[in-house]
Amino acid sequence: GQQVMQIPQYQHVQEGEDFTTYCNSSTTLSNIQWYKQRPGGHPVFLIQLVKSGEVKKQKRLTFQFGEAKKNSSLHITATQTTDVGTYFCAGTSSNTGKLIFGQGTTLQVKP
Amino acid sequence: DAGITQSPRYKITETGRQVTLMCHQTWSHSYMFWYRQDLGHGLRLIYYSAAADITDKGEVPDGYVVSRSKTENFPLTLESATRSQTSVYFCASSEVSGTLGYTFGSGTRLTVV
Repeated sequence: GQQVMQIPQYQHVQEGEDFTTYCNSSTTLSNIQWYKQRPGGHPVFLIQLVKSGEVKKQKRLTFQFGEAKKNSSLHITATQTTDVGTYFCAGTSSNTGKLIFGQGTTLQVKP
Repeated sequence: DAGITQSPRYKITETGRQVTLMCHQTWSHSYMFWYRQDLGHGLRLIYYSAAADITDKGEVPDGYVVSRSKTENFPLTLESATRSQTSVYFCASSEVSGTLGYTFGSGTRLTVV
């Protein structure tokens, strides 16, 4: 079935370093969403990208949607300890209309 | 998010027992979802509902039953709990277009012993 793969699974960075997580789908997506889950918490919606090649920024976070609408990335500039958590991408299949979550990337930030 | 509440927050039950997890939303969202979260598997969809009295299976529906008699409630029942159903369960809702993403509840941590 359709899959949304996310890498890396874990990332440890020193505070101030940059961080990127990548999301790849086996099929074309109509949109991609990103969520953040703090340790012990629940996923919280960050953003949705719809257009091919779209780039959106939220302060230190930059989100990109690939030209082919099969991949996406989240880049955090100058990480802070408040960035700790698991970041999930979720893509809506163009075929089925269902939202499929990636397995998430857990970010640890050392102060 | 105060608009979607799950209960209980924690539950321990024995193998073979029936247990129901509750989900209530005040957003009047059409769509509601149940996910389970396990290490190494991310979020897996159990069941979803597009409106009252309309439900459909997700990725891992076996052993679970849902109902949606009212728009605001979407209970999930484990008919005969098994140890493999030990997990964190999240309920979520969204408006029809989905452009504002899914709103998740705080989750229920279920342990089956």
